[in-house]
Amino acid sequence: DIQMTQSPSTLSASVGDRVTITCRASQSIGYWLAWYQVKPGIAPKLLINKASSLESGVPSRFSGSGSGTEFTLTISSLQPDDFATYFCQQYNSNLWTFGQGTKVEIK
Amino acid sequence: QVQLQESGPGLVKPSDTLSLNCTVSGYSISTGYYWGWIRRPPGKGLEWIGSVHHSGGTYYNPSLESRVSMSIDASKNQFSLKLTSVTAADTALYYCARERRDFDYWGRGTLVTVS
Repeated sequence: DIQMTQSPSTLSASVGDRVTITCRASQSIGYWLAWYQVKPGIAPKLLINKASSLESGVPSRFSGSGSGTEFTLTISSLQPDDFATYFCQQYNSNLWTFGQGTKVEIK
Repeated sequence: QVQLQESGPGLVKPSDTLSLNCTVSGYSISTGYYWGWIRRPPGKGLEWIGSVHHSGGTYYNPSLESRVSMSIDASKNQFSLKLTSVTAADTALYYCARERRDFDYWGRGTLVTVS
């Protein structure tokens, strides 16, 4: 299995902050990586696919980068609606795996 | 707009079978795509359980494969999950989602407790 490791597991930040979350793969996955936003009671939201391609309707303050084994999700200016848990997912192999999640909390 | 809604018992006894349905609206599942199940145990991350193709083909997470089955009911625009011989470790929030290798539409999830 390809293991996905996210860091940090928890992040405390303020509205307006620039936030970066890292996801590392245990082997190269090319650019086959997605990022999701998960909130309680709400359907998870796909933010980014193919490492850096923003899904339709997702605010431009979200961006993704990376390839191979190291990837980042950046929120350029954190908004109140962005406090949530974020997961990465690799889809390089036929066994889809997710990171353990990064919870973005209000500082 | 594609929408998915999970349904099924919220409480299952140990050793019993967990059965969930996912009803899709805004898209005919017989048209295309894979349709998947993902779960999140309390305090843990997401785990892909498996996916079913619109034609009925399936593929599962090897860690669960011996206990999982999935199927499509095109007449109801639904797909389903069955997980046998459940234990407390199967307690989780279960999501259904449309798969295109990533997952672009999800349901809100349904909590299943094994006790």
